[in-house]
Amino acid sequence: EAGVTQFPSHSVIEKGQTVTLRCDPISGHDNLYWYRRVMGKEIKFLLHFVKESKQDESGMPNNRFLAERTGGTYSTLKVQPAELEDSGVYFCASSQDRLALRNEQFFGPGTRLTVL
Amino acid sequence: AQKITQTQPGMFVQEKEAVTLDCTYDTSDQSYGLFWYKQPSSGEMIFLIYQGSYDEQNATEGRYSLNFQKARKSANLVISASQLGDSAMYFCAMREGEYTGNQFYFGTGTSLTVIP
Repeated sequence: EAGVTQFPSHSVIEKGQTVTLRCDPISGHDNLYWYRRVMGKEIKFLLHFVKESKQDESGMPNNRFLAERTGGTYSTLKVQPAELEDSGVYFCASSQDRLALRNEQFFGPGTRLTVL
Repeated sequence: AQKITQTQPGMFVQEKEAVTLDCTYDTSDQSYGLFWYKQPSSGEMIFLIYQGSYDEQNATEGRYSLNFQKARKSANLVISASQLGDSAMYFCAMREGEYTGNQFYFGTGTSLTVIP
């Protein structure tokens, strides 16, 4: 079974440009999450989709960030316009919608974004 | 306030020895889950072990065990018989509440180096 995949693995852009990150969750996983890790700091939650709906977007830093999940499958995270402080590693994770308390999240390898 | 605190930025352990990675958490919820993930240099986050707040026994998964001390709000990861392949970043995470789709809160991670 394929894991969570993310594209691209690296992106280097200049301040003011636009970047779109893509995440393909594990097939059948209704929950999809975006997280970000800025160098040396903790991994921070950005938002959570259940199927195509935004369940929780309390971690989105500002309106320069736009996340979508088309048809409840893959998701994109667009940053427009990018600022220097947006640099970091963006992780996508997915999990099943189930009652079992464990219900771990499966993470992708991340996209390393560098804004110059 | 930080919900997850990992106070050891870096740790070294001799091959075949045991090592404990510290994690303390802060929550007022009665129901929560604690998770440990491993991130090798390749970047992917690998789920290691889970401990539920109502679990009376410490969780174990192979060479990994979780030393859960509820009153002290600590959930330390113990790796026995360290191997060179254990060298990686380790993240402690918590999910609060009954809803298993809730976001994870992460610590800043501990970089473990296993010395031959």
